[in-house]
Amino acid sequence: GAVVSQHPSRVICKSGTSVKIECRSLDFQATTMFWYRQFPKQSLMLMATSNEGSKATYEQGVEKDKFLINHASLTLSTLTVTSAHPEDSSFYICSAREHNRDQFGYTFGSGTRLTVV
Amino acid sequence: DQQVKQNSPSLSVQEGRISILNCDYTNSMFDYFLWYKKYPAEGPTFLISISSIKDKNEDGRFTVFLNKSAKHLSLHIVPSQPGDSAVYFCAASEGRGNKLVFGAGTILRVKS
Repeated sequence: GAVVSQHPSRVICKSGTSVKIECRSLDFQATTMFWYRQFPKQSLMLMATSNEGSKATYEQGVEKDKFLINHASLTLSTLTVTSAHPEDSSFYICSAREHNRDQFGYTFGSGTRLTVV
Repeated sequence: DQQVKQNSPSLSVQEGRISILNCDYTNSMFDYFLWYKKYPAEGPTFLISISSIKDKNEDGRFTVFLNKSAKHLSLHIVPSQPGDSAVYFCAASEGRGNKLVFGAGTILRVKS
């Protein structure tokens, strides 16, 4: 089955630093990947849609200069949280969309727990 | 404005009985619906989906029912097992393959 690998699974960083999260589709090509964040006991909120070779599409209220998304290849998308602050602490999850399946699959990564201290 | 709503934060069911998780949506453009299971600190795992051209889809112990007129869908798990205990998210999209909108989730606890 389709596998999406997300790294790191957990990261602690100091306020003001930047953190990069990687999302890789291991056995399929993903022209589109999605980035979500989840606060404790809340739903997954879509942050942005990442398209290979083009600029990401950000949801309303998400700062594109703060959450940099790069989708340089068909198997890799990265999310960089720039100048992180404690309020950016959250659970970040990526998902990749397969094109060559009859039933569209959105495969999710295992998530990244970001703690900004 | 929550387009996908799961009004029950939690549900507790006895092992072997049926679990029914409910989901309502407001966007009439949604035509593809999915259910995911999620454990803490992990990504969601796909369970089952349904297209708006159907009203029922079954896969093993899992059945999803869609009532388009009521803008309501439900996930039935029969028989429920302790391993089913997790958070269940309902999600919807306008068109297959487009971005998903998630509900707030329902915590299911299956007691043995």
